[in-house]
Amino acid sequence: DQQVKQNSPSLSVQEGRISILNCDYTNSMFDYFLWYKKYPAEGPTFLISISSIKDKNEDGRFTVFLNKSAKHLSLHIVPSQPGDSAVYFCAASRSNFNKFYFGSGTKLNVKP
Amino acid sequence: DVKVTQSSRYLVKRTGEKVFLECVQDMDHENMFWYRQDPGLGLRLIYFSYDVKMKEKGDIPEGYSVSREKKERFSLILESASTNQTSMYLCASSSVVNTEAFFGQGTRLTVV
Repeated sequence: DQQVKQNSPSLSVQEGRISILNCDYTNSMFDYFLWYKKYPAEGPTFLISISSIKDKNEDGRFTVFLNKSAKHLSLHIVPSQPGDSAVYFCAASRSNFNKFYFGSGTKLNVKP
Repeated sequence: DVKVTQSSRYLVKRTGEKVFLECVQDMDHENMFWYRQDPGLGLRLIYFSYDVKMKEKGDIPEGYSVSREKKERFSLILESASTNQTSMYLCASSSVVNTEAFFGQGTRLTVV
């Protein structure tokens, strides 16, 4: 049973607009969350993370929001660029545990 | 520049062969991981290691084993390759809990 879920397999957005990628988790013990970006034939690269003590973390065009009561996090990309087209994975882990649990990914297509 | 290097980008093996996938990291990380990525399933953890000669099963260890004789190297072994092990294999490493994992470029394994 997947503990981290990304229910949208794909998302298409116009260049310059906001992209919002969503992720839900079931394990309330998760306290650290990450987003990764993956291009075809490459390994995932780390994008941004958030600890459960925060509800927002921002890095340039990327912002991650965490809603602990809803067990939901989202990644906002503003403004979206064609180079952002990739598969985005969310991941979660627990303190003192070495395992990361990944969602199934959302393929983002940013149209010029 | 930090690096996780996987020995092969593409491999084609025959059913029943013993297959070795090698991974080396140069960041002196304690934790190393092997994932496989399949469409619609995201990244699933096969095995991870938190120290030399230490290993723990992930979510899908059946048909795989691992070896970590040195801190920088983590090997994944397919004892007798089967067609359902055709997949993208990703190695990753991380320093301590609640930090991001760094991924290698992936090995696309095809078992025929």
